[in-house]
Amino acid sequence: DGGITQSPKYLFRKEGQNVTLSCEQNLNHDAMYWYRQDPGQGLRLIYYSQIVNDFQKGDIAEGYSVSREKKESFPLTVTSAQKNPTAFYLCASTWGRNTGELFFGEGSRLTVL
Amino acid sequence: AQSVTQLGSHVSVSEGALVLLRCNYSSSVPPYLFWYVQYPNQGLQLLLKYTTGATLVKGINGFEAEFKKSETSFHLTKPSAHMSDAAEYFCAVTSGGDDKIIFGKGTRLHILP
Repeated sequence: DGGITQSPKYLFRKEGQNVTLSCEQNLNHDAMYWYRQDPGQGLRLIYYSQIVNDFQKGDIAEGYSVSREKKESFPLTVTSAQKNPTAFYLCASTWGRNTGELFFGEGSRLTVL
Repeated sequence: AQSVTQLGSHVSVSEGALVLLRCNYSSSVPPYLFWYVQYPNQGLQLLLKYTTGATLVKGINGFEAEFKKSETSFHLTKPSAHMSDAAEYFCAVTSGGDDKIIFGKGTRLHILP
């Protein structure tokens, strides 16, 4: 089945540690996105990539990093510089030309202890 | 700049009653408008979309929305609520192409027995 797979679904981290969230898609989509979701704040864009080896900062990129070495994969690293990393993280993808129709993974919930 | 406002962070309706979730947008160019649904601890799923053409659009699970340019609105409705409709609903806007997708803050729908 085609879709987007995020892993891990739940992750616990100690303060000061970096953590990488995986996002893989087999939909042959060119564009991929990372969003952060906090209660009552909707979805906020962290980073997005429209083609391999290229990505742009979203609205809240500070403390995060990404790579896009393969079309299928768009991992997100939450670094120790992110002051409030506890959140629900969502990966999404769509065709190269943005039509607004995003396909989402099931999310990764990160908790910093 | 585009924006989306969802009126009411929580809406409660009785099972079998009309569901009405409100969404207003601002855009200087013709918008593409979307409603997404999110069940607990899951990603978002596209419910319906308006791009061009007919202003009344039908989506999955019996939902529909009407694009009203004069009111800059795209309210979501369902004639008869079902317990399975309990979820969070997000309105989104984009103008396509290189434009970002802007999400509202979400409305949590509660269904009362």
